[in-house]
Amino acid sequence: DAGVIQSPRHEVTEMGQEVTLRCKPISGHDYLFWYRQTMMRGLELLIYFNNNVPIDDSGMPEDRFSAKMPNASFSTLKIQPSEPRDSAVYFCASSQAGNAYNEQFFGPGTRLTVL
Amino acid sequence: EDQVTQSPEALRLQEGESSSLNCSYTVSGLRGLFWYRQDPGKGPEFLFTLYSAGEEKEKERLKATLTKKESFLHITAPKPEDSATYLCAVGSHFGNEKLTFGTGTRLTIIP
Repeated sequence: DAGVIQSPRHEVTEMGQEVTLRCKPISGHDYLFWYRQTMMRGLELLIYFNNNVPIDDSGMPEDRFSAKMPNASFSTLKIQPSEPRDSAVYFCASSQAGNAYNEQFFGPGTRLTVL
Repeated sequence: EDQVTQSPEALRLQEGESSSLNCSYTVSGLRGLFWYRQDPGKGPEFLFTLYSAGEEKEKERLKATLTKKESFLHITAPKPEDSATYLCAVGSHFGNEKLTFGTGTRLTIIP
């Protein structure tokens, strides 16, 4: 398996623009997670899905952020409008149900810079 | 609210110089404590899961231990390739699949 795939790897945009990050989880995994990593706050969970259904979005910072999972092999994280404080590395991870202590597999991340 | 604190923030060791990284945690019902390794420009990579106090796990030069309040990652005779950021995370029985991460320890092994 190719692992978790994220695109783009790098994104530079201007304040106010819409940004869409994409993720393809590992085939057969039931859970999908979106994280944000910054030097100040470390790795923070934004939202996670189980079988394509959002379960916990309490980490989503505000209404400018939205996430969707239209099918088992694809998810998006959208920021509209983007702000400089959204600059961070965004990771997608997936895991498999049935493993009581789910190991999460992370993608390579998308480095977002908002000017 | 679950909390994880890692120390030190950064650690520089000579090759072969053993040491330990600390992860202190507070959680409502520990489901598991997780250690990850993160190389620059990459996503975290899973190392270990510990489930109950007293448990230990080993992988090559790494050994993770767990008490009711903290976990240690012991590194024995490290090599330069062990240089990375090591992240600790906890999962709670009350948090479903959510993991709470610490900010990590950046380890540098000097040849």
